Amino acid sequence: GAVVSQHPSRVICKSGTSVKIECRSLDFQATTMFWYRQFPKQSLMLMATSNEGSKATYEQGVEKDKFLINHASLTLSTLTVTSAHPEDSSFYICSAKSQGSPSTDTQYFGPGTRLTVL
Amino acid sequence: AQKITQTQPGMFVQEKEAVTLDCTYDTSDPSYGLFWYKQPSSGEMIFLIYQGSYDQQNATEGRYSLNFQKARKSANLVISASQLGDSAMYFCAMREGTSGSARQLTFGSGTQLTVLP
Repeated sequence: GAVVSQHPSRVICKSGTSVKIECRSLDFQATTMFWYRQFPKQSLMLMATSNEGSKATYEQGVEKDKFLINHASLTLSTLTVTSAHPEDSSFYICSAKSQGSPSTDTQYFGPGTRLTVL
Repeated sequence: AQKITQTQPGMFVQEKEAVTLDCTYDTSDPSYGLFWYKQPSSGEMIFLIYQGSYDQQNATEGRYSLNFQKARKSANLVISASQLGDSAMYFCAMREGTSGSARQLTFGSGTQLTVLP
């Protein structure tokens, strides 16, 4: 159980375009989803916490107008990278918090989206 | 100060042997949770094991066990009978606060494990 999907898995776009990444919890309801960013050979860095029905909470240094997050339902959160630039190229991973997981608060991760901005 | 420290950037282990991946943490919160995730080259993060700060016994999940030493603030992952498929990056992570809170995870820098045939 506790499957999280992400779409697309890989995207290549031109500089200046916007890219939307979807994160879905497939077999559970997730009131909270998290968006992380990972550069090659580095750890995951939290970008924002997404709560269903309310505004996302962004980490310090993350531009909320550039990285738009929408958590419209208990199973879907979207991250839109607006006006993407080459420095936005990275691996973006979402996770969803399952209240029914064995440890009561384990986060289950999506497979990630590799964004390349040309 | 680093909240999660993994001091081993890379580790090698012979197939079928056991290996310990180190993790130390820093928190003043009496309630916290510790997690280990595996990230193969495909990029997905796979949950392995969880230890709560109030858990009396060390967590075990199949070939994975967590050596939890609260006084030392360490939560080392032990993988027994290593398999070639265990080769991956391993991340230690911590959630501060009670389990019901929507707190994010803080990750360590990771350890790249390579299992040798």
